[in-house]
Amino acid sequence: EAGVTQFPSHSVIEKGQTVTLRCDPISGHDNLYWYRRVMGKEIKFLLHFVKESKQDESGMPNNRFLAERTGGTYSTLKVQPAELEDSGVYFCASSPFRRETQYFGPGTRLLVL
Amino acid sequence: ILNVEQSPQSLHVQEGDSTNFTCSFPSSNFYALHWYRWETAKSPEALFVMTLNGDEKKKGRISATLNTKEGYSYLYIKGSQPEDSATYLCAFINGSGTASKLTFGTGTRLQVTL
Repeated sequence: EAGVTQFPSHSVIEKGQTVTLRCDPISGHDNLYWYRRVMGKEIKFLLHFVKESKQDESGMPNNRFLAERTGGTYSTLKVQPAELEDSGVYFCASSPFRRETQYFGPGTRLLVL
Repeated sequence: ILNVEQSPQSLHVQEGDSTNFTCSFPSSNFYALHWYRWETAKSPEALFVMTLNGDEKKKGRISATLNTKEGYSYLYIKGSQPEDSATYLCAFINGSGTASKLTFGTGTRLQVTL
């Protein structure tokens, strides 16, 4: 069974540019989560989809971040315009049911210069 | 605000040593405690999901215990090997409502040398 995949693995952009991160969850997993780890700090929750619906977006830092999950399969996270403090590792995770084991992807390392 | 604390921040042991780490979490509104093993540039790997007070779980040389009344969990590694080198993360799920987000600690970074 394929795990959670994320694309790209790395992205280096300049401040003010736009970046779109993609996550493909494990097939059949209705729950999809986005997390972020800023260097030296803990991994923090951004938002949670159940199928195509946003269940919890309490962790989204501001309106420069837009997440979508059209059709309830893969998800994208767009940052527009990117700021320096957006640098970090963006993880995606999926699970078949809420509150059960979340399976993580390898993350996208974003560097905003 | 939920605070999940892990200690120590980092640990350096020799091959064959046994070691343990601590994860502290809020003892009220507990739902579950997750442990992950994370090697940089790889996916965090799920180790255990613990839900009941007194739970003990084991996977090979790694085991974990849970005390929900006092709000802590221990992770033990018996006979550490170099391949155990990684960051060990614990994450808490709050029992309030239906939220399923993980609240992570900052992790314990383990380095095992020959």
